[in-house]
Amino acid sequence: GAGVSQSPSNKVTEKGKDVELRCDPISGHTALYWYRQSLGQGLEFLIYFQGNSAPDKSGLPSDRFSAERTGGSVSTLTIQRTQQEDSAVYLCASSLEGATNEKLFFGSGTQLSVL
Amino acid sequence: GESVGLHLPTLSVQEGDNSIINCAYSNSASDYFIWYKQESGKGPQFIIDIRSNMDKRQGQRVTVLLNKTVKHLSLQIAATQPGDSAVYFCAENYNQGGKLIFGQGTELSVKP
Repeated sequence: GAGVSQSPSNKVTEKGKDVELRCDPISGHTALYWYRQSLGQGLEFLIYFQGNSAPDKSGLPSDRFSAERTGGSVSTLTIQRTQQEDSAVYLCASSLEGATNEKLFFGSGTQLSVL
Repeated sequence: GESVGLHLPTLSVQEGDNSIINCAYSNSASDYFIWYKQESGKGPQFIIDIRSNMDKRQGQRVTVLLNKTVKHLSLQIAATQPGDSAVYFCAENYNQGGKLIFGQGTELSVKP
């Protein structure tokens, strides 16, 4: 596609419910990244997929957070038993090969609100 | 997760003036640096990047300066316009694949 696509753009859920956030990377990009951005703050790295390698999960804040990437393309970030502190914008990005000197292309994010 | 900073510094400039946004990065082993612009409700948008073997790189109306001695990065915007109003983030690559670690961001406000 023309850019990184994320859905839904907004998600409101109740505390304790599970949510799934979707990311469609740019076609042909082998690397995919998830970041979290709390209000007025910077981007916090969550997880990174590169080709068929094991994902870098070093940024996931708890075991309630998980992500999959199926068929090397679409990715789903799942948050189980959501808490109010999970409220944030979740941003997905992709890059061509996941090399160290590549820029990341970001989607517009999913605004998650946990009531 | 990894991130830097909690409070967003702000910079207010007059339209037509030059802007300088500064960033202190954390890892002396980082070899790639990048600036992003984020407008309200949108994802970060690439502005300019620089590798560690350079100390200056110019784009259209923007210049990035890298000082590895003091681990400092700056973004200069010439003839700042109202459309430049946004939050600007620096990011570094620790040489861990494509993963970028972001700085805290600076909010640029341009007065007409």
